[in-house]
Amino acid sequence: DAGITQSPRHKVTETGTPVTLRCHQTENHRYMYWYRQDPGHGLRLIHYSYGVKDTDKGEVSDGYSVSRSKTEDFLLTLESATSSQTSVYFCAISEKLSYPYEQYFGPGTRLTVT
Amino acid sequence: KNQVEQSPQSLIILEGKNCTLQCNYTVSPFSNLRWYKQDTGRGPVSLTIMTFSENTKSNGRYTATLDADTKQSSLHITASQLSDSASYICVVRNSGGGADGLTFGKGTHLIIQP
Repeated sequence: DAGITQSPRHKVTETGTPVTLRCHQTENHRYMYWYRQDPGHGLRLIHYSYGVKDTDKGEVSDGYSVSRSKTEDFLLTLESATSSQTSVYFCAISEKLSYPYEQYFGPGTRLTVT
Repeated sequence: KNQVEQSPQSLIILEGKNCTLQCNYTVSPFSNLRWYKQDTGRGPVSLTIMTFSENTKSNGRYTATLDADTKQSSLHITASQLSDSASYICVVRNSGGGADGLTFGKGTHLIIQP
């Protein structure tokens, strides 16, 4: 998984509670991303970062916030979890955007909101 | 709207047989196309990445083709093995996009039966 770890790998939480997912990389790549994967949908971008403290919204950012205080860490926070946020969350990294630089994905975090 | 459509949605074949997965896209302007393999419970792993100038690219038993004129790509798997059972995701990058410039297909779920 290209030097990417995600924690926790599994989490069950209740509606209305805050949740933070962590992505850690050892590749020193500039770009980091958070995606969610749901049945019937392709991977959808939540937020991304193009450097320390530089982040931007993706396609499905409502209800999520992110922070990147160090190159190696990218945090995804659900301020008040809802059942619609039950999903598998993937972190990804890339050194650059242009060809042939690729995205590498982490192992995923399965989040269940009850 | 940029879209990536994959077919079939799912496919079951016998071990040792060949198969071809399809990807049609409407992403514009086109930059490159990637095929990922995603094993159950794991993150996607890159198989190939192709630009408009590349018609064919191989990675072991996997061969990807690209027709930029018709906006179609295929992934051919030769002499399938049980370990090929996975979801295969087609991803297209548009050249005008930044870190959010990727469009993901929903994937083809491939099952190899002994």
